[in-house]
Amino acid sequence: NAGVTQTPKFQVLKTGQSMTLQCAQDMNHEYMSWYRQDPGMGLRLIHYSVGAGITDQGEVPNGYNVSRSTTEDFPLRLLSAAPSQTSVYFCASSQDRDQPQHFGDGTRLSIL
Amino acid sequence: GQNIDQPTEMTATEGAIVQINCTYQTSGFNGLFWYQQHAGEAPTFLSYNVLDGLEEKGRFSSFLSRSKGYSYLLLKELQMKDSASYLCAVRPKRAGGYNKLIFGAGTRLAVHP
Repeated sequence: NAGVTQTPKFQVLKTGQSMTLQCAQDMNHEYMSWYRQDPGMGLRLIHYSVGAGITDQGEVPNGYNVSRSTTEDFPLRLLSAAPSQTSVYFCASSQDRDQPQHFGDGTRLSIL
Repeated sequence: GQNIDQPTEMTATEGAIVQINCTYQTSGFNGLFWYQQHAGEAPTFLSYNVLDGLEEKGRFSSFLSRSKGYSYLLLKELQMKDSASYLCAVRPKRAGGYNKLIFGAGTRLAVHP
């Protein structure tokens, strides 16, 4: 059982480049989320989805887009990378809204 | 606004007991989670409290007082592998039916021999 899989694990981008962080889960979870984690700060919610075709914004959505075409996949797109987006990004999923979230191993992203 | 406070760092000795506190101020309350996160790894679920009282799970216990906006995580018989960050996360009053967790900054625990 793979759980939540994120790719890539590491990435370095130049300012202005775009890229997609991939997230896939094999637990048939309806709920999926993207967080960023910065030193000295808690995990902050970027975007989330409560099922295929349904997405919504979290606390810090600016500069990011998401889509949820299938239950399994929830990619996060950086439209035009900025140094302020240097962070560790975690994808998480849960069975329903009252259940704990399962996290992927994270993507460490640096924007130069 | 929403606010969750935890101590930034704590140290303890192997075999001892340590209590990590979490206080919160949120718009309503629908549950509190504790997660463990080792350096460079993903957070993993430890406990969930929605009612007042103590939840015990092996060496780990979690307590909640909703009237005081307070929770603690109690770790007994500390082991070196317990050195990690401990994240407190609160689910405020349900908005749109989704579990939008708000995380504290985490408490970094160092266990020494």
